[in-house]
Parts: sequence; C-alpha cells; structure tokens
Amino acid sequence: KNQVEQSPQSLIILEGKNCTLQCNYTVSPFSNLRWYKQDTGRGPVSLTIMTFSENTKSNGRYTATLDADTKQSSLHITASQLSDSASYICVVSARSGGYNKLIFGAGTRLAVHP
Amino acid sequence: GAVVSQHPSWVICKSGTSVKIECRSLDFQATTMFWYRQFPKQSLMLMATSNEGSKATYEQGVEKDKFLINHASLTLSTLTVTSAHPEDSSFYICSTPRTMSGRGLNEQYFGPGTRLTVT
Repeated sequence: KNQVEQSPQSLIILEGKNCTLQCNYTVSPFSNLRWYKQDTGRGPVSLTIMTFSENTKSNGRYTATLDADTKQSSLHITASQLSDSASYICVVSARSGGYNKLIFGAGTRLAVHP
Repeated sequence: GAVVSQHPSWVICKSGTSVKIECRSLDFQATTMFWYRQFPKQSLMLMATSNEGSKATYEQGVEKDKFLINHASLTLSTLTVTSAHPEDSSFYICSTPRTMSGRGLNEQYFGPGTRLTVT
C-alpha cells in the first residue's frame, strides 16, 4: 500500500532556530517527492520537488533531502521566522497508468514562537 | 502571482441546499483538475479528477451524485455539493498540474481553497 508518513506531527520552536522535518514513504513506482507549505486556511504552496536522481534541493531557507534507497526525505528550515508557522506536507508522486498519482502525508504542524 | 483561483473563498449554507465552488486556472489551460477535501488537522484527500470535456473520475467512497463536477472549459472546473449536510463542512481545494519547462515534471498548483460550513 502506498503510504507517506511524516514526523513529528507537530513542532514548536523559537524564532531564529533551525528545525528538521521527516518524511518516510512506501510508494511504488516512485516518480518524485514534493514538499509543500500550507498556511492555515490556504492552499498548499510548493517548496521543492525532487526526482529519483536528486538528493538535495534548496529554496531559500528551506533545504530538502531525498534518500531514495531508504525512502526517506527531510525538510530543513534554517533561521526560522514567525511566518514559517504552517503545516508542511510531504507528497510523493507515484506513476499510475498514464499519469502520476499524488500520495499525501498528514503533515507536520510547525509553530514558531518569538 | 496566483496560478489557480477559487471562488468563493468561504461559504455558509443551510442544510439541504446546494453550493457551487469554482476553480479557475489563470493564464494557462488546465485539461486536468483535481478536487480535494481537507478536514481540520488532516491532510488533503483526493475526491475526484476532472478532465475537460469528459466525465470526472471519482475516488472510492466519494458519491458522484452528491459532488457534481463539471469541467466545461480549459480554464474552469466546478464542484457542486448537492443537498449539503453539516458533515460536508470542510475545506475544499482544487489543483491542476502544469508542466515545468526543461524538467519534464508536472508542478502541481493548488487553489487557495474554499471553506464550506453547512448549518
């Protein structure tokens, strides 16, 4: 069964600190892995997208890693800001017939406190 | 700027009424649109896939007669929640893929969502 599991479920950090969010997946056949940021009451916004051959991708203070062998990914946030408070969703794309099917993780709810 | 828009952003309706939610792609053609539902503190759950000019494909457990999807043009898909009940209260989000030039990948653009509350 295709599954995406994220940890921790929620996280509280102080402004300026770094944090790392985890994503483990059992998805086959794997196509790509995406990290999204979803503010409360808003739609998800793409942060990074990585294919099988890419093991790291940065977008400003966000750095995602991918280990396709262990089927793990992480999202590292550097020098956190209050505006980073949001849910971070790991999404793995699986090839299904002629198109890619997205498998969503439950998300990690990050709260950045001053 | 926004790539996908949704309207309305929030709606409150009485039980038994129908509500239509619009999803528009801005500045590009979207042959495929996905509709998701998200309950509080949960992740997005795919409801259906709509393709322009053909019938939508619904996920298992989603009533097609209750959630009517119309994808009449390449820039507009609509989701109508018929005879809404309080348990239909949720956050509804649409998305559409768009090919990223040079990478052969489809970036998935999400709309801002519509908060439906059924009283």
